[in-house]
Amino acid sequence: SQQGEEDPQALSIQEGENATMNCSYKTSINNLQWYRQNSGRGLVHLILIRSNEREKHSGRLRVTLDTSKKSSSLLITASRAADTASYFCATDGSTGNQFYFGTGTSLTVIP
Amino acid sequence: DADVTQTPRNRITKTGKRIMLECSQTKGHDRMYWYRQDPGLGLRLIYYSFDVKDINKGEISDGYSVSRQAQAKFSLSLESAIPNQTALYFCATSGGWEETQYFGPGTRLLVL
Repeated sequence: SQQGEEDPQALSIQEGENATMNCSYKTSINNLQWYRQNSGRGLVHLILIRSNEREKHSGRLRVTLDTSKKSSSLLITASRAADTASYFCATDGSTGNQFYFGTGTSLTVIP
Repeated sequence: DADVTQTPRNRITKTGKRIMLECSQTKGHDRMYWYRQDPGLGLRLIYYSFDVKDINKGEISDGYSVSRQAQAKFSLSLESAIPNQTALYFCATSGGWEETQYFGPGTRLLVL
């Protein structure tokens, strides 16, 4: 399986704190994406980082990518209760035709 | 996302029954995907289609079949449902130069 893994599996923080979650993957990639899923609902795209990029920002989100270590991290700054959700990384694998999702990090932000 | 719809939203069926899950999109995207989600395993790709005449197996296609009836419609069939196909099923689309996937709301399937 080319499925990646997120770490930690679950994370609980206080509102206002920063949340960091990590993703490791197995093959070379063209890009890596992060998605968010509210309980039992469809995934929503957050941010995409290409293999030739090292860092990308979007609002309160900061994503880093280290292709030598086959890893990425997602930082959510100044977290809010509404950020409570599961977060998944997805890579396009070596062919670019398929997407491989990680196992997800469940984030709980306590008001 | 209202642009990608899935029917039914919930389905209970018995072992051995044939069922079909349907996906429709109004985004005009050429690429469509079917995933299943199991607790602790993330999403796994079942089938994908890059246009009406193109169907490809994903990571876990055994026990499933698909039909791309039109650019906007992509159906997933379980020919003879078994209990370990109980899962949450998602349809997704992407199109053009855009690599982002847009997901439907999901179909929760229970096979008894």
